Amino acid sequence: KAGVTQTPRYLIKTRGQQVTLSCSPISGHRSVSWYQQTPGQGLQFLFEYFSETQRNKGNFPGRFSGRQFSNSRSEMNVSTLELGDSALYLCASSLGEGRATQYFGPGTRLTVL
Amino acid sequence: GDSVTQMEGPVTLSEEAFLTINCTYTATGYPSLFWYVQYPGEGLQLLLKATKADDKGSNKGFEATYRKETTSFHLEKGSVQVSDSAVYFCALSKTGANNLFFGTGTRLTVIP
Repeated sequence: KAGVTQTPRYLIKTRGQQVTLSCSPISGHRSVSWYQQTPGQGLQFLFEYFSETQRNKGNFPGRFSGRQFSNSRSEMNVSTLELGDSALYLCASSLGEGRATQYFGPGTRLTVL
Repeated sequence: GDSVTQMEGPVTLSEEAFLTINCTYTATGYPSLFWYVQYPGEGLQLLLKATKADDKGSNKGFEATYRKETTSFHLEKGSVQVSDSAVYFCALSKTGANNLFFGTGTRLTVIP
């Protein structure tokens, strides 16, 4: 079974721009979660989508948004980029039931200049 | 709030040494506990998990036991290899929620 895939793997943007990241979950998984990883803050939960609905949300500003499509693929959007948004963005998929194990993709490395 | 506290790194060990990475948690109820590993340039891989008190998770020679009385989930391996060099993350998830709370990670370097 193919794992979680994320595209693109690397992105360079400038302040003020917006960016869209994509995540394809493991076949059959209906839940997709997004995390931000930075050296200073570590791994932080952004949000989770399940069956096209946002089910849970972390403590990030409204510039960070996401959506999920009927095939469970998910996109994350960051508008008005700031230098501090430079990070590794990780997507994880799971079956979505309670205590379901999350499987992570390789991440998208975003650099904001 | 819910949180995970992990042993500060980095940790440097010689090959075949014994490894312990401490992890304690704060959470209400009965969370599930996980250890994930991140190799350079890669995402996170699930190493092992435990979903209830006294459960022992194990994989690839690594073990961790869910201790509710001490709110701990320490990672151990009897004999580390150079290939175990990576960053290890302890994490928890709450019942009914699918998001993970992570510790800060512990970088392990194993030298031949």
